Amino acid sequence: AQSVAQPEDQVNVAEGNPLTVKCTYSVSGNPYLFWYVQYPNRGLQFLLKYITGDNLVKGSYGFEAEFNKSQTSFHLKKPSALVSDSALYFCAVRDRMDSSYKLIFGSGTRLLVRP
Amino acid sequence: GAVVSQHPSRVICKSGTSVKIECRSLDFQATTMFWYRQFPKQSLMLMATSNEGSKATYEQGVEKDKFLINHASLTLSTLTVTSAHPEDSSFYICSADQIGQGGEKLFFGSGTQLSVL
Repeated sequence: AQSVAQPEDQVNVAEGNPLTVKCTYSVSGNPYLFWYVQYPNRGLQFLLKYITGDNLVKGSYGFEAEFNKSQTSFHLKKPSALVSDSALYFCAVRDRMDSSYKLIFGSGTRLLVRP
Repeated sequence: GAVVSQHPSRVICKSGTSVKIECRSLDFQATTMFWYRQFPKQSLMLMATSNEGSKATYEQGVEKDKFLINHASLTLSTLTVTSAHPEDSSFYICSADQIGQGGEKLFFGSGTQLSVL
């Protein structure tokens, strides 16, 4: 069964500092991995995805994530946080061998960037 | 970029009534659409997978007679919450899988906040 773990309910960081939001996954086959951001009472906005190729994926708003197969991780990073990055972040996984194309979400991590 | 329109964005209804939520892919075709439910400060829980022209596949614990899903075309899926009760109050989000992309391109609607009085 597929699963995603986001071990931190909340991450606090000062503006201008680097940020990391952690994600580990479990799938039976090879994964597609995604990061989404959600603002209050809104749907999900796509940040980035790993499908194949380079393990370092660059996405929207200066975010990037590194796929680490041996550690089954896909941590989200940004070199310099902005107050406007404060939001709820979801990691998600899809097993590319699963023809249903189900996307399984982690529990979410709230990022709080203080001025 | 691809857009998924979800309507209404917010609905308030009385207990016992039914509510229909629409999910449309505006500029692409979607063989598969997904419906999620999100409680406050929690993650998205997959409710069902909707395939065009066939019956939806419901996740364990989701009542198919209560949450009716219709996927009549490659651009429209609807979720009807029948005989709604206060415990059905939640944020519902749909997503659409762009056809021919092998599961690589998934787009989300903006969500529907359902409040049942």
